[in-house]
Amino acid sequence: ETGVTQSPTHLIKTRGQQVTLRCSSQSGHNTVSWYQQALGQGPQFIFQYYREEENGRGNFPPRFSGLQFPNYSSELNVNALELDDSALYLCASSVRGGMGNEQFFGPGTRLTVL
Amino acid sequence: LAKTTQPISMDSYEGQEVNITCSHNNIATNDYITWYQQFPSQGPRFIIQGYKTKVTNEVASLFIPADRKSSTLSLPRVSLSDTAVYYCLVGDGGADDKIIFGKGTRLHILP
Repeated sequence: ETGVTQSPTHLIKTRGQQVTLRCSSQSGHNTVSWYQQALGQGPQFIFQYYREEENGRGNFPPRFSGLQFPNYSSELNVNALELDDSALYLCASSVRGGMGNEQFFGPGTRLTVL
Repeated sequence: LAKTTQPISMDSYEGQEVNITCSHNNIATNDYITWYQQFPSQGPRFIIQGYKTKVTNEVASLFIPADRKSSTLSLPRVSLSDTAVYYCLVGDGGADDKIIFGKGTRLHILP
């Protein structure tokens, strides 16, 4: 059983550019959530995908968008990057209908916007 | 969504038992209480989850009083490697459940 993986590990972009981050869910998990974590802060919920549809969204603008594929892997896309988008982006997979909110997190992608 | 409140930071020494308490006064009937551990530049890692009374696993214990308005994560005989940020979350994992992380408790273990 493989865990949650994310790519790339690190990424440097300039303001105004677009970025795509990728996540492979843990085997058997049907739900994926994305989080943004600024330095010294807790992870902030961006959105969640279940059965390839967005299912819940945090307080993030529309330039943050995502996709979930039939194999439950996922992408996070951010358009028109801003300096404040610099953060660790975390992907977490889980089983819908599972007990409570046990999520399995990937190692994250460190995005730096210059 | 139930909000949680935790101490911002705690210090302890190697070999001691550490207890971190979390308040969740508005916890809903279907909510579970989940604790995560996070090391710098890594994703959070699930530690333990419970609904009521006491839960114990190989890593920690979770104590939940009858009113469920608080919970205490207990780490027995901590070591330097337990230095991390610990997050308490409540939720039912249902379709509209948004996972809300607070700022967590920064635990620093001293030699």
